[in-house]
Amino acid sequence: KNEVEQSPQNLTAQEGEFITINCSYSVGISALHWLQQHPGGGIVSLFMLSSGKKKHGRLIATINIQEKHSSLHITASHPRDSAVYICAVNSNTGNQFYFGTGTSLTVIP
Amino acid sequence: NAGVMQNPRHLVRRRGQEARLRCSPMKGHSHVYWYRQLPEEGLKFMVYLQKENIIDESGMPKERFSAEFPKEGPSILRIQQVVRGDSAAYFCASSPGMVGTQYFGPGTRLTVL
Repeated sequence: KNEVEQSPQNLTAQEGEFITINCSYSVGISALHWLQQHPGGGIVSLFMLSSGKKKHGRLIATINIQEKHSSLHITASHPRDSAVYICAVNSNTGNQFYFGTGTSLTVIP
Repeated sequence: NAGVMQNPRHLVRRRGQEARLRCSPMKGHSHVYWYRQLPEEGLKFMVYLQKENIIDESGMPKERFSAEFPKEGPSILRIQQVVRGDSAAYFCASSPGMVGTQYFGPGTRLTVL
């Protein structure tokens, strides 16, 4: 079993739709990260969370430490949001960094 | 303020050769992480370094792989006697501290013929 599980694995949405990607983890963490990987392969760090909620533009990330769960929301989705979204956690028992397998998002115009 | 630099961006090697991948962290960052992304797979942690020290190499294969981050110059990931299974994208990330936002480089795509 992976330390970090994401759902869904693939997601197709119409432009303008509200999108939610979920992440559950099974280890103790010091921080959770949401990353975006574009088709060209480049990786961008979107958020780092240790509690609560963060917002950047149309992106919102939340985390529930007790439930070991995080969500990434995209409001008013746009085709340029099409990418793979990856959840990753810093273990609090060492320096390990665990990754989910990613959610491939396609937004159709 | 330049981002994380990796070079080369693409590297082709024949089986048995050595591959050297370089990573220059963002200015002011002393923490470097290396990750590997095999084709059709997710990212996997390889090694975490601070200047002149390997902090955690639990994700590194036991043989043929080594990493360093010298006092001066870039971090180097070295793969000796490459095999086809080493073909992957290798990403480097840097951060100013141990727990913090990591900034990723563009990756080096290694192809072993």
